[in-house]
Amino acid sequence: DIQLTQSPSSLSASVGGRVTITCRASQSVDTHLNWYKQTPGTAPKVLIYGASHLQSGVPARFSGSGSGTHFSLTIDDLRPEDFATYYCQQSSSARWTFGQGTKVDVK
Amino acid sequence: QGQVVESGGGVVPPGKSLRLSCRTSGSTFRFFNMHWVRQAPGRGLEWVASTSDDDANKEYADSVRGRFTVSRDNSQNTVSLLMDNLRVDDTAVYFCARRYCLANSCSLDFWGQGSLVIVS
Repeated sequence: DIQLTQSPSSLSASVGGRVTITCRASQSVDTHLNWYKQTPGTAPKVLIYGASHLQSGVPARFSGSGSGTHFSLTIDDLRPEDFATYYCQQSSSARWTFGQGTKVDVK
Repeated sequence: QGQVVESGGGVVPPGKSLRLSCRTSGSTFRFFNMHWVRQAPGRGLEWVASTSDDDANKEYADSVRGRFTVSRDNSQNTVSLLMDNLRVDDTAVYFCARRYCLANSCSLDFWGQGSLVIVS
C-alpha cells in the first residue's frame, strides 16, 4: 500500500498567520492527492482535490500544490475556524490511504 | 444533494459480528462508489473498504480483509459493512462516504456523521 507521511504532526500558529503542511508519498500518486479538514466530533471535509483544485465552497485562503510524491497544503490568513486537524489522502491506488494528520492549534 | 446516515454501531464482544448500515438519500448515490473510513479514539483516519457503483468491485484494507465485507443495495439506497471476528483494535467511529470524481481525480465529498463501534 502507498504510505503517506505528513509533517509536522502538529504546529502552533496565530490568527492571521500562514501555515504550510507537507505530505510525502512512498511512491508516485501523480496528482491523485486530496486534503481534508476535521474538527473534533465531526466528519472530515474535503478542501483540495487533485492536489491543487479547491473544492466548491472552500475559501481561497486554502491552496494545494505538488505532484508525484511531494505535496503541500497552505493556509493563508488563518481564521479561528481553521484550527483543526488536516489529513492528506491518496486515490491513486485501488486501496486508498490517509496521512497520519497534522493538528493546527492556536499559538 | 442528499445525505449519508450511518447506523448499527454499538458494543460487541471480541470475536463477534456487527453490521453497519449507511443509508443515502437522493437517487444519484447509486451511481457513485461508496467508501468506509474509520477513526479509533484519539487517532487519525484509516481507510477501510470501498464498493463500486454496481457492487461488482470491492477493495479492503489489509487490516480488515477476510473479516469485513462491504456490499450495497441500490434499490434501497443502502451500503453495508459486515464486520466479523471483531477485535479490540476495531474499536472506532466508522464513517460512510461518497466518492466523487472531478478533473480526473476522486475524493470523498459527502460523509455521514459516523457510527461508533466498541469491541469490548
